[in-house]
Amino acid sequence: DAGITQSPRYKITETGRQVTLMCHQTWSHSYMFWYRQDLGHGLRLIYYSAAADITDKGEVPDGYVVSRSKTENFPLTLESATRSQTSVYFCASSGQKRGGLFGPGTRLTVL
Amino acid sequence: AQSVAQPEDQVNVAEGNPLTVKCTYSVSGNPYLFWYVQYPNRGLQFLLKYITGDNLVKGSYGFEAEFNKSQTSFHLKKPSALVSDSALYFCAVRDYGSSNTGKLIFGQGTTLQVKP
Repeated sequence: DAGITQSPRYKITETGRQVTLMCHQTWSHSYMFWYRQDLGHGLRLIYYSAAADITDKGEVPDGYVVSRSKTENFPLTLESATRSQTSVYFCASSGQKRGGLFGPGTRLTVL
Repeated sequence: AQSVAQPEDQVNVAEGNPLTVKCTYSVSGNPYLFWYVQYPNRGLQFLLKYITGDNLVKGSYGFEAEFNKSQTSFHLKKPSALVSDSALYFCAVRDYGSSNTGKLIFGQGTTLQVKP
């Protein structure tokens, strides 16, 4: 089905572990984004990508790594998870002059 | 630097009354502006956008927004609020200035509470 999917939808991990959140879109949108949503902070941009193999930092990139080898995938990796990275993570994709279309989110808990 | 501000954490209105949710922005180039709505435990849904053209744009569910370049504002409005409009609303901006990065930045969100 066309759309944007995120996996897993829920994840519990421990401090220090590596975690990868997956994002896949079927629209062939050039842009993809990762956000985290925390109470009182709204949506903050972590990383974004304008095309395959082109990524750039957003507002809160520290502790995160991204890659984009294929247009349709944009995984987000927490190399060594910390409790402060407990959050809801949203992936989005868009064309060049449009707003983002959002995935359902991944709720991550770091113990 | 690109930024979006939503000055009100919460807006309370009575059902049937008009509502306004405020948004101001800062960009170096030309702004593309958007409003989204989020219902509890759900993702974000697109409401409307301003790219160019008429300053008053109409969107989903009877919402509209007015672009004001001199005040760098993009307030969300609805003539008659419904209880079902109660949700979290986000304003967002993309900057197509000289750097043309296409970065999409969101405000902190405004909770709209419509009371019967």
